Amino acid sequence: AQSVTQPDIHITVSEGASLELRCNYSYGATPYLFWYVQSPGQGLQLLLKYFSGDTLVQGIKGFEAEFKRSQSSFNLRKPSVHWSDAAEYFCAVQGGSEKLVFGKGTKLTVNP
Amino acid sequence: GAVVSQHPSWVICKSGTSVKIECRSLDFQATTMFWYRQFPKQSLMLMATSNEGSKATYEQGVEKDKFLINHASLTLSTLTVTSAHPEDSSFYICSAADRGRGRDEQFFGPGTRLTVL
Repeated sequence: AQSVTQPDIHITVSEGASLELRCNYSYGATPYLFWYVQSPGQGLQLLLKYFSGDTLVQGIKGFEAEFKRSQSSFNLRKPSVHWSDAAEYFCAVQGGSEKLVFGKGTKLTVNP
Repeated sequence: GAVVSQHPSWVICKSGTSVKIECRSLDFQATTMFWYRQFPKQSLMLMATSNEGSKATYEQGVEKDKFLINHASLTLSTLTVTSAHPEDSSFYICSAADRGRGRDEQFFGPGTRLTVL
């Protein structure tokens, strides 16, 4: 069965600084990988996804993620964080079935 | 496109009553819908998978008699929390899969906050 680890529970960055959120997955084959963002009391918004092909994936709001098979990682990056990026970020993996398995999430705080 | 709605967005009920939450795919046909539960400051946990016209498949540890799921049409799934108790208070999120988009990418609703007094 697939699993996802997000090692960082909470990250604080200054506005304008770069950001990297870590995600490691466990799955026997190449999974489908997703990053979602959740604002307080809201549902999930898809930032980007990786199915196959180019391992560097561009998403919405200036986010990107890189799939590294050798490291079983799918880290999310943004070169310059905005205050509105403060939210909870979830990495998810989809294996052979339709089921999505989520990591525990990383809360991002942005300091002015 | 691919919009999923939930109703209500929040509900408060007394212990022992039943609450129904609706999940609708507004602009696509969802052959599969998923129900998740999210406790405060925690991740989403899949409760069940529902396929249109058939019985839902529940995850281990989820009481199917307590959380009744009905997927009567390609655009509507409902979750009924029966005889709700305070420990059922949570944020419930549904998602819908559009098979026309390939490998069942899921689109999420905005969630329903349930508070049981």
